Amino acid sequence: NAGVMQNPRHLVRRRGQEARLRCSPMKGHSHVYWYRQLPEEGLKFMVYLQKENIIDESGMPKERFSAEFPKEGPSILRIQQVVRGDSAAYFCASSPPGSKAFFGQGTRLTVV
Amino acid sequence: DAKTTQPTSMDCAEGRAANLPCNHSTISGNEYVYWYRQIHSQGPQYIIHGLKNNETNEMASLIITEDRKSSTLILPHATLRDTAVYYCIVSENTDKLIFGTGTRLQVFP
Repeated sequence: NAGVMQNPRHLVRRRGQEARLRCSPMKGHSHVYWYRQLPEEGLKFMVYLQKENIIDESGMPKERFSAEFPKEGPSILRIQQVVRGDSAAYFCASSPPGSKAFFGQGTRLTVV
Repeated sequence: DAKTTQPTSMDCAEGRAANLPCNHSTISGNEYVYWYRQIHSQGPQYIIHGLKNNETNEMASLIITEDRKSSTLILPHATLRDTAVYYCIVSENTDKLIFGTGTRLQVFP
């Protein structure tokens, strides 16, 4: 059983471009979570999704950021018109209902 | 904000037990104590969790005080690969984990 898979592992974008980060949950996991870790800081919750539903997006910036978890395929975190301050490590986690979450290895986004 | 207080850093000799304390004096009755660790910017790794009874698994033991206001994570025989930041989190579930600053454990030879 593969763990939570995130890709790409590293992503470089120029200011103003779009970044798309993908997360494939562990098999049998219907809940997905996204966290952001800025350099030298702790992890911050962004959003919690179940299949086709956003359950809690209280940690998502109001503009430029969106997330989805479609019926088929991976969860996508999308950042439009990236700025230098978006440079961070983005971690995805997944869990079955009511059980503990497991994290992926993250996508390191660098905005140049 | 995180509901836990942990020491900023700790050292431990290789082969010795590492005891990492955590205070959570405002924990509520339905909140668990979860421990995760992050090794050098990798994804956080689940270690163990408990409600009120002590717990043990292949990685660690978790000792929770009777009043549940504090707990201790024990790595019985620390190795160099246990060097990491250890996070103690109180939550009803893992749907929204609030990470604090954690304890940076340095295991030395």
